[in-house]
Amino acid sequence: GNSVTQMEGPVTLSEEAFLTINCTYTATGYPSLFWYVQYPGEGLQLLLKATKADDKGSNKGFEATYRKETTSFHLEKGSVQVSDSAVYFCALSAGGYNKLIFGAGTRLAVHP
Amino acid sequence: GAVVSQHPSRVICKSGTSVKIECRSLDFQATTMFWYRQFPKQSLMLMATSNEGSKATYEQGVEKDKFLINHASLTLSTLTVTSAHPEDSSFYICSASPPGQLSYEQYFGPGTRLTVT
Repeated sequence: GNSVTQMEGPVTLSEEAFLTINCTYTATGYPSLFWYVQYPGEGLQLLLKATKADDKGSNKGFEATYRKETTSFHLEKGSVQVSDSAVYFCALSAGGYNKLIFGAGTRLAVHP
Repeated sequence: GAVVSQHPSRVICKSGTSVKIECRSLDFQATTMFWYRQFPKQSLMLMATSNEGSKATYEQGVEKDKFLINHASLTLSTLTVTSAHPEDSSFYICSASPPGQLSYEQYFGPGTRLTVT
C-alpha cells in the first residue's frame, strides 16, 4: 500500500545552519508529493508540493525535489531561522480522490 | 488565507459518555471536510471524508457507529465520539477543501485533544 517514511526528530539546529529532512515514499502509480508545516498552536499549512517526477517545489526558502528513482522528496533549506521551528510533515496523494497519506512528522527546533 | 477552526481545543470526558467536536470553515464554503486522528509521534490517519449533504465515507477499520460525522452545512462538520473509552483518547484534526480545489488544497484546523478518563 501507499506509505510515507520520514526521519525521526527532533532535529535541533543553530540559526543559519543547513537543513535536510529526509522523506521516502511507497506508492502505486504516480503520486503527488507535499510538505506541510505545523507551527505551534496552529493547523497544518501546505509548504510546497510537486506533482510529477523531477519537479521541484519551493516556498519560503524551502525546496524539495520529486525523485522517482529513489522514491524520495527530501526537504532542504540553506539557512534556517528561529521562526522555522515547527513540525514538518511529508505527505502523498495517490490513486484516489482527496486522500492524503502523512508521514509521522519531524520536529525542528532552531536556536539563536 | 483560508481559516478552519475547531472547538473545543481540549476536552476531557468520562468513559461511556459522548463528546462532540466542531470543525468550521470561517471564510470559505467547504464542500468536503476530512477528519484525521493522530497518536503521539505518529502520522495523521484519515478517519473519514464528509461531503456536505451526504453520508460520510469512512476509512477501513474506522467504526462509523462510534465516530458519527455530520456535515450539514457548507461551513460546519461535526465529529461525535459516542460511548467514549480511554483508547479513544487522541488528537483529532479536521481539514476542509473548498469547491473546485484539487485534493491537496486542504486547510487544516488546529486540532482537538480528547482525553477519556
